[in-house]
Amino acid sequence: DIQMTQSPASLSASLEEIVTITCQASQDIGNYLSWYQQKPGKSPQLLIHSATSLADGVPSRFSGSRSGTQYSLKINRLQVEDTGIYYCLQHYSAPYTFGAGTKLELK
Amino acid sequence: EVQLVESGGGLVQPGRSMKLSCAASGFTFSNYGMAWVRQAPTKGLEWVATISYDGSSTYYRDSVKGRFTISRDNAKSTLYLQMNSLRSEDTATYYCTRVGYGLFAYWGQGTLVTVSS
Repeated sequence: DIQMTQSPASLSASLEEIVTITCQASQDIGNYLSWYQQKPGKSPQLLIHSATSLADGVPSRFSGSRSGTQYSLKINRLQVEDTGIYYCLQHYSAPYTFGAGTKLELK
Repeated sequence: EVQLVESGGGLVQPGRSMKLSCAASGFTFSNYGMAWVRQAPTKGLEWVATISYDGSSTYYRDSVKGRFTISRDNAKSTLYLQMNSLRSEDTATYYCTRVGYGLFAYWGQGTLVTVSS
């Protein structure tokens, strides 16, 4: 199975700050990487697909990047509504695996 | 607007069965693959099973293979998950998802399954 190592596990940042979350894949997964945001008591929502493509309706302050088998989610100018838990997902091969999640809070 | 509404969750004893349903609307159901993803209380996300647009192909994670069956009725725009021989570790909120960009493009609100005596 492909392992996705996500870091950090938790993060506290200030309003308008730049935040970066990373996922390291245990093997090559190409661009089969997506990012999801989950707010408390809600279902997850797709933010980024194909490693770098913004999903419909997602604010442009979110962006994704790839360097080899390391993938990053960047949030420019953090807003109050960005708090929640963020997960990466590899769908290169089954079983599709999520990262453990990053809990993002406002400082 | 894509809508996915799960039902059928609740409390069930270990070893018993339960069937989840997901009613889809707002898109042509028969054109899309579908999947179930679960989340144990206070834990992360875990893919469970996927079914192709026409039901001809299904895929499962190892821990549910032989116990769970994903199926669909395209005439009713409904996805199902038949869960047999339930274990305490199957306790989770089960989400119905539509496959698309990023794999799980749309999610339902989830239905909680609690396996306990």
